[in-house]
Amino acid sequence: DGGITQSPKYLFRKEGQNVTLSCEQNLNHDAMYWYRQDPGQGLRLIYYSQIVNDFQKGDIAEGYSVSREKKESFPLTVTSAQKNPTAFYLCASSRVVTSTWTQYFGPGTRLLVL
Amino acid sequence: EDKVVQSPLSLVVHEGDTVTLNCSYEVTNFRSLLWYKQEKKAPTFLFMLTSSGIEKKSGRLSSILDKKELFSILNITATQTGDSAVYLCAVEADSNYQLIWGAGTKLIIKP
Repeated sequence: DGGITQSPKYLFRKEGQNVTLSCEQNLNHDAMYWYRQDPGQGLRLIYYSQIVNDFQKGDIAEGYSVSREKKESFPLTVTSAQKNPTAFYLCASSRVVTSTWTQYFGPGTRLLVL
Repeated sequence: EDKVVQSPLSLVVHEGDTVTLNCSYEVTNFRSLLWYKQEKKAPTFLFMLTSSGIEKKSGRLSSILDKKELFSILNITATQTGDSAVYLCAVEADSNYQLIWGAGTKLIIKP
């Protein structure tokens, strides 16, 4: 089945620790995105990538890092510099085709700080 | 600053009622507006709207865009408990493939 997978489903982080969230897609999509969702707020863009080996900061990139070494994979690292990491993290991908596209989302990872 | 505002923030109705959700926007170089339904985890795509006045319909759900007044509505008729979800509106602006998201409307359908 084609789709986007995220792992783990739940992740616990200790103070001062870096953690990495996995995102994989087999849709052959060029673009991939990471969003953060907090209660009562819309999705906020952390990073996005339109092509392998290239990525751009979104609105709230501070304290996060990404890599895009393969088309299928776009892991997100939450570093110790992110002081309030507790949130629901959604990965998405899209096929960039001129002016019409939609984003498809993974099931999400909930990150909690111990 | 680009922004998308949804209203109401939450809504509780009884099964069988009709609801209308609103999404207004202020963005530079509007390209499209999208509606998503989010139940427990990932948002699922409902509609993409690019032209004013053309209704998109899928079963009991329909949506329309007004590019002059800068808003869209999502209608759900004969609501069912399975319609309970957060409905998200997002706007694509400019050509950088980013979406600007509203905060969502939490819809609760009581049996």
